[in-house]
Amino acid sequence: GAVVSQHPSWVICKSGTSVKIECRSLDFQATTMFWYRQFPKQSLMLMATSNEGSKATYEQGVEKDKFLINHASLTLSTLTVTSAHPEDSSFYICSARDLGDLPLNEKLFFGSGTQLSVL
Amino acid sequence: GQSLEQPSEVTAVEGAIVQINCTYQTSGFYGLSWYQQHDGGAPTFLSYNALDGLEETGRFSSFLSRSDSYGYLLLQELQMKDSASYFCAVSDSPGNTGKLIFGQGTTLQVKP
Repeated sequence: GAVVSQHPSWVICKSGTSVKIECRSLDFQATTMFWYRQFPKQSLMLMATSNEGSKATYEQGVEKDKFLINHASLTLSTLTVTSAHPEDSSFYICSARDLGDLPLNEKLFFGSGTQLSVL
Repeated sequence: GQSLEQPSEVTAVEGAIVQINCTYQTSGFYGLSWYQQHDGGAPTFLSYNALDGLEETGRFSSFLSRSDSYGYLLLQELQMKDSASYFCAVSDSPGNTGKLIFGQGTTLQVKP
């Protein structure tokens, strides 16, 4: 199946710094990628939809100036958590569909996730 | 609003059959999916139903009734490795850009 690579797997940073998370589709092109956030033992909450070559679409309540998304190529989307604070500590996961995965194109492939800890 | 409800926890023994139910209330509906997630890992796709009925994939089956806004995941011949969280998810629109909205997840514990 398709592979989505996400880096780093974990990151520890000081409060006030910015952290960039990369999400790559390794063997397919992804015009759209989705960024989720997950707290321990809780559901995956959609943060934003990343669109190649255009602005991301953010879900209600998600601060677009805090969570910067860039989707500059068909295989790479980045999420930058700006001025991180302890409450931003969470598991961040990206995902994408492989439209070549016929006949089913509803399947989402997920990256391995990034555990962010802000001190 | 959009909501998906599923039981928070289910416990079963090895070799048994377990059913995880999911009811949904969403503004748009283009299919019900199921994902498995082990602790600390990424969700992985299990099954998808766009139409009413049963879909079978090995030990896992999924069912959908659109008129009842209800579906379930059936796991047969349970193995210890099946201990994980299981999420139902609804696509709110068709195609590549359709968002997937997840339920709260069901933690399945398989005991020897």
